[in-house]
Amino acid sequence: EDQVTQSPEALRLQEGESSSLNCSYTVSGLRGLFWYRQDPGKGPEFLFTLYSAGEEKEKERLKATLTKKESFLHITAPKPEDSATYLCAASYYGGATNKLIFGTGTLLAVQP
Amino acid sequence: EPEVTQTPSHQVTQMGQEVILRCVPISNHLYFYWYRQILGQKVEFLVSFYNNEISEKSEIFDDQFSVERPDGSNFTLKIRSTKLEDSAMYFCASRPGTSGGSEQFFGPGTRLTVL
Repeated sequence: EDQVTQSPEALRLQEGESSSLNCSYTVSGLRGLFWYRQDPGKGPEFLFTLYSAGEEKEKERLKATLTKKESFLHITAPKPEDSATYLCAASYYGGATNKLIFGTGTLLAVQP
Repeated sequence: EPEVTQTPSHQVTQMGQEVILRCVPISNHLYFYWYRQILGQKVEFLVSFYNNEISEKSEIFDDQFSVERPDGSNFTLKIRSTKLEDSAMYFCASRPGTSGGSEQFFGPGTRLTVL
């Protein structure tokens, strides 16, 4: 069964304390691996798409990487405004229209 | 910057009533989606829509659900007879055509509460 698993469920960091979030996927024929940010009561906000193992994307304090089995979201020197739930999602070949399979997310809290 | 919009932001209804959730996807996007998120759970795929027809639907999307694109801008999700378990956040998303990238852009959601 295609699925996406994220860890940890929750992470508390001090401002400036770098860390990584993990996303493991078991998808038959990965088409794309997506990272989203979700603030409370809001819709997912697109961050990155990764398509092949070895690919990396960066945006401000965030860097996403991809291997054949997992993806990491590295957060460097986080600030309180980085606090949110980070969602990982995958789409796969064989699906008709790129539907996304989501993980349960990692709730990140950055304390000043 | 273009964005997906959804109305209403919060809908309260009685069990058994019909509700229509509305979405305006990003202009010139071609693929449209509905997802839902029950409180504390994963975001789940409901249905995708392309070229004025459903292209894929999940097991959740049973005969009580329907989607429509009544004009060139709106995309609606109808639930005919709501149940308590339909209470959730419902997100609309859209994606450009095949040459425009595979990212889906989400709206802010409609919180549906069924009493």
